[in-house]
Amino acid sequence: DQQVKQNSPSLSVQEGRISILNCDYTNSMFDYFLWYKKYPAEGPTFLISISSIKDKNEDGRFTVFLNKSAKHLSLHIVPSQPGDSAVYFCAASGGGGGSQGNLIFGKGTKLSVKP
Amino acid sequence: NAGVMQNPRHLVRRRGQEARLRCSPMKGHSHVYWYRQLPEEGLKFMVYLQKENIIDESGMPKERFSAEFPKEGPSILRIQQVVRGDSAAYFCASSPWRTGGAGANEKLFFGSGTQLSVL
Repeated sequence: DQQVKQNSPSLSVQEGRISILNCDYTNSMFDYFLWYKKYPAEGPTFLISISSIKDKNEDGRFTVFLNKSAKHLSLHIVPSQPGDSAVYFCAASGGGGGSQGNLIFGKGTKLSVKP
Repeated sequence: NAGVMQNPRHLVRRRGQEARLRCSPMKGHSHVYWYRQLPEEGLKFMVYLQKENIIDESGMPKERFSAEFPKEGPSILRIQQVVRGDSAAYFCASSPWRTGGAGANEKLFFGSGTQLSVL
């Protein structure tokens, strides 16, 4: 029973173009969403987040969009750079019982940015 | 300014043995979280500890798994009588305070993980 779904296991993008990573969720009680980036042999690192009361949050090349009615969020990276190649995890919190630090993660999308 | 330190990086155990995974949080952090990542899966929450206290263990398997975070020393995740299905990457994260509210989760800093392989 996956509450957070990332349906694309992988994505390949040309350097300089836009990368769009998608995430769907089922629990309408989630109140906070986060994106983490993970390189091989390293732990996830926090990238950007969005509260459920907002529909957009931007930080440099990274923008997260939230569509609550569709229970969908997306991460846009513009322009994409080879160093962005990593696995990106979508995560959610506040699903009606989880404590602090109890995040629900998707399975991840492996982004490859080709020079 | 060291980050979250986990050791060992790789741990190989035979079925039935015990596995001990250690996590030293970032300096000044008193909250520790353990996550497990099975192959081809996302990270799954296991347990949240504060010094000497287990706050939330809702993700811990009922048997063979235990965790502690003593007053002195690292947090330990202990797996007794390991089975092949325990093979996974185990990640520890820490945070500096219990803020409550959604924004607190941004303050999770993850270690590089321990890759447990059970033969």
